[in-house]
Amino acid sequence: GAVVSQHPSRVICKSGTSVKIECRSLDFQATTMFWYRQFPKQSLMLMATSNEGSKATYEQGVEKDKFLINHASLTLSTLTVTSAHPEDSSFYICSANYRGETQYFGPGTRLLVL
Amino acid sequence: GESVGLHLPTLSVQEGDNSIINCAYSNSASDYFIWYKQESGKGPQFIIDIRSNMDKRQGQRVTVLLNKTVKHLSLQIAATQPGDSAVYFCAESPNFGNEKLTFGTGTRLTIIP
Repeated sequence: GAVVSQHPSRVICKSGTSVKIECRSLDFQATTMFWYRQFPKQSLMLMATSNEGSKATYEQGVEKDKFLINHASLTLSTLTVTSAHPEDSSFYICSANYRGETQYFGPGTRLLVL
Repeated sequence: GESVGLHLPTLSVQEGDNSIINCAYSNSASDYFIWYKQESGKGPQFIIDIRSNMDKRQGQRVTVLLNKTVKHLSLQIAATQPGDSAVYFCAESPNFGNEKLTFGTGTRLTIIP
């Protein structure tokens, strides 16, 4: 139990385009999912908390109009990086809260913006 | 602001020996702590957790110790194996449940064959 998937695992896009990343809880329902960003050799930084059926809560310094989050069902949250630029290149990881207790993480999505 | 940090950024251990990874946290209100293992290019993998009303918890080959007096958390891995090589993160939360986590800086553990 507590398996979280992400799609795609890797994506390369041109500067100015938008990229959508999906996060799914495969064998459980998650009312809350989280989105993190991780730069090389650094720790995970929380970007936003995604709540099913309501607006996401963004951390300070994270642009909500640039990082659009949609949590339309209890098993799916999406993160869309709009008008991506090279500085948005990073490893994006989601997590889902299992049974309202512990967070389990997806495998991550490597984004490279050219 | 509050932060969670680690004493040692890198640790090398001989295969078969025990390893101890340490973590200092600064938020005395933290109630829940988790250790994650992250291999290169992958997402963090849950190892073990502990709530603030406990000072020790054991899993398979792993033990987490919590010292609330000095705000210190440690992860002990017994009889280390090559597959234990990874970056280990401690994370803390103010509450057990649907709360965001604050991650430490991470420790890279390398197992020497």
